[in-house]
Amino acid sequence: TQLLEQSPQFLSIQEGENLTVYCNSSSVFSSLQWYRQEPGEGPVLLVTVVTGGEVKKLKRLTFQFGDARKDSSLHITAAQPGDTGLYLCAGGPTYKYIFGTGTRLKVLA
Amino acid sequence: NAGVTQTPKFQVLKTGQSMTLQCAQDMNHNSMYWYRQDPGMGLRLIYYSASEGTTDKGEVPNGYNVSRLNKREFSLRLESAAPSQTSVYFCASGGGNQPQHFGDGTRLSIL
Repeated sequence: TQLLEQSPQFLSIQEGENLTVYCNSSSVFSSLQWYRQEPGEGPVLLVTVVTGGEVKKLKRLTFQFGDARKDSSLHITAAQPGDTGLYLCAGGPTYKYIFGTGTRLKVLA
Repeated sequence: NAGVTQTPKFQVLKTGQSMTLQCAQDMNHNSMYWYRQDPGMGLRLIYYSASEGTTDKGEVPNGYNVSRLNKREFSLRLESAAPSQTSVYFCASGGGNQPQHFGDGTRLSIL
């Protein structure tokens, strides 16, 4: 059974700080996705990484896929209150997606 | 610009009652999914439909049935609700080589 473990589970930081969230597995994934979910809403896709070692940037967010395609990280530079939410990674064979347990981020003004 | 629409948004059932959760998408996606989200568990796949006319089990299918009514609609049925099925249910479409788009969820409580 493929599992995706995210760390940390909870993170509370001050506005302007940097942070990194991790998504780890013992299995290889053909691709990995990162989502952000806000209260009362469904997850919204941020990025998909496909190639081992790939780095993608989305404004202040930097996503990296591990060389072995078993892990990924999300780095946020100068966090803002608008970054508050639940961050989820997901991967797996086509259609049978596995989601991580999530990292709940709170950025304080 | 609706995307994925789920109904109802909230529901309270008694143990043993049945109900159907509805989902419709207007993005012409072939694939649709049903997930449940529980605290500390992330999202878990219940069933998916890779294309119209096909359905397959996901990680946690027991106690549920699905119907892919047409390309737009994918419903989830609880035949005899149990307290363990209290959860937030999300429908999604897309996936494969496309991103998944999620609805806003149905919050279901079973007493």
